[in-house]
Amino acid sequence: NAGVTQTPKFRVLKTGQSMTLLCAQDMNHEYMYWYRQDPGMGLRLIHYSVGEGTTAKGEVPDGYNVSRLKKQNFLLGLESAAPSQTSVYFCASSPTPAGEQYFGPGTRLTVT
Amino acid sequence: SQQGEEDPQALSIQEGENATMNCSYKTSINNLQWYRQNSGRGLVHLILIRSNEREKHSGRLRVTLDTSKKSSSLLITASRAADTASYFCATDEGAQKLVFGQGTRLTINP
Repeated sequence: NAGVTQTPKFRVLKTGQSMTLLCAQDMNHEYMYWYRQDPGMGLRLIHYSVGEGTTAKGEVPDGYNVSRLKKQNFLLGLESAAPSQTSVYFCASSPTPAGEQYFGPGTRLTVT
Repeated sequence: SQQGEEDPQALSIQEGENATMNCSYKTSINNLQWYRQNSGRGLVHLILIRSNEREKHSGRLRVTLDTSKKSSSLLITASRAADTASYFCATDEGAQKLVFGQGTRLTINP
């Protein structure tokens, strides 16, 4: 089992560019989450999904879109990157709502 | 919204000593969880305590929960250099997601 994987691990974007972050899990979990972590801010929830084909907004959804077309994948898109989106992005999955979450290794994104 | 708040923000102790971190939250919860994050890595789940539990142990970890005070503590006994990490509490907000605190940075000095 690979657990939760994220691609890419690092990315540098110019302001206005777009990109998609991919999260994949092989544990058959229903629930998946995207967080961002900034220095001294802990983790903030961007979007989440309670099952294939569903998405919902978290605490900081503006500037991001998500899709969950397949149960094992959760994609996070930035349509027009801004310097304020420079952060480390973590994906997590869980077999139960608000239960133990399994985290990916993170994607470090820099927007210049 | 930041539901859980950890205290202290940073803690530095000698190897072998005990480390205690506290978490306070604002609204009623079903469970509270603690996670560890090593530098540059994803979070790892340590322990979950339900609202009807007062204390839970896992190896060198002891977690207490006081729902009347809306607070929890994480005790790491006989600390080791490998315990150096950031520790986060997380509370369930509604039925489907967690809210994480800002974390406590723990440094174990040899």
